[in-house]
Amino acid sequence: QQQVKQSPQSLIVQKGGISIINCAYENTAFDYFPWYQQFPGKGPALLIAIRPDVSEKKEGRFTISFNKSAKQFSLHIMDSQPGDSATYFCAASSAGNTPLVFGKGTRLSVIA
Amino acid sequence: NAGVTQTPKFQVLKTGQSMTLQCAQDMNHEYMSWYRQDPGMGLRLIHYSVGAGITDQGEVPNGYNVSRSTTEDFPLRLLSAAPSQTSVYFCASSFLNTEAFFGQGTRLTVV
Repeated sequence: QQQVKQSPQSLIVQKGGISIINCAYENTAFDYFPWYQQFPGKGPALLIAIRPDVSEKKEGRFTISFNKSAKQFSLHIMDSQPGDSATYFCAASSAGNTPLVFGKGTRLSVIA
Repeated sequence: NAGVTQTPKFQVLKTGQSMTLQCAQDMNHEYMSWYRQDPGMGLRLIHYSVGAGITDQGEVPNGYNVSRSTTEDFPLRLLSAAPSQTSVYFCASSFLNTEAFFGQGTRLTVV
């Protein structure tokens, strides 16, 4: 079963626009929700993460919004730039001995 | 600080051959895991370890073996390579329930 569902699969945004990627999870034991960014030929790298004690976390142009009751979280990229073009993965894990489970990824293209 | 190091970067195998993908980390992380990445499938967990001597299966473990004799190393063994194992493999390490650090990946082709 897919524990983390991510949408959309691909996204094209104009430079300066807002990119929004959504994820939904099922396991209520999850308590760590990171977003990873991956450029072609590279490994994923942590972009930003949130824990369920807060509903929003902002780091520069990147914001995570978290809705515990709906079991959803999303990534917002403000003022999107061509350099943001990459694949983005949401993930989740819990404090038990469970490793990260990932969504299927979103390929973001920011066009000038 | 090398982080997570994977070798080799590229490998071509013939069907039925065996090989070991190496992964080493120098951050003293207790958690290590192997993922495979296929187009449209995201990152799927193969095997993971929560410490030396402890391993467990992930979502897609068939055809792969792992062992963890030290904190630093977590090799992934392909027992008898099949074309369905053509993929990009990533090793990751972390402390419990925190940021995972990934290696650069191994691109494996089985012909």
